[in-house]
Amino acid sequence: GAVVSQHPSWVICKSGTSVKIECRSLDFQATTMFWYRQFPKQSLMLMATSNEGSKATYEQGVEKDKFLINHASLTLSTLTVTSAHPEDSSFYICSARDRGGDQPQHFGDGTRLSIL
Amino acid sequence: QKEVEQDPGPLSVPEGAIVSLNCTYSNSAFQYFMWYRQYSRKGPELLMYTYSSGNKEDGRFTAQVDKSSKYISLFIRDSQPSDSATYLCAMGGGGGADGLTFGKGTHLIIQP
Repeated sequence: GAVVSQHPSWVICKSGTSVKIECRSLDFQATTMFWYRQFPKQSLMLMATSNEGSKATYEQGVEKDKFLINHASLTLSTLTVTSAHPEDSSFYICSARDRGGDQPQHFGDGTRLSIL
Repeated sequence: QKEVEQDPGPLSVPEGAIVSLNCTYSNSAFQYFMWYRQYSRKGPELLMYTYSSGNKEDGRFTAQVDKSSKYISLFIRDSQPSDSATYLCAMGGGGGADGLTFGKGTHLIIQP
């Protein structure tokens, strides 16, 4: 149980392109999903918290107009990197918590984004 | 000072050895603690989570939390080559509603 699916796993695109990443909880409902970014040899850094049916909460220093988050259902959150530039190249990982009680976060397999 | 400190390693031990991994933290608001295993180019896989000081055991893994010292540990018994991976400690507060703060990860190598 507690499977989180992330798609796509790898994206290469030109500078200026917008890229959408999907995060799905496959066997549980997640009122809260989280988006992290991981640079090489660095720890995961929280970007934003996504709550179903409401606006996302962004961490300090993360541009909400650049990283658009939509959490339209209890099993799907999307992250859109708008007008991506080479410095946005990174490993983006989502996580989800099962609702009810103190549940840990389960992670997807990440999306490797390379902007040329 | 970073909120969570974790030695990045690499830590290399022979197969069958007991492995000890640890993290220290500075934020007293952290109330729950996790250990994740991450293979290259994959997302973190949950190994252990706990909300209280003390020990929690699951198979070959034991998680230890000392809130008074702000120190957590993960012990792996009878280590196997397949345990070779990066181990991340993570912690959070707010009853689980908050995002996690991660350590940098320790790269573990189990030598056959």
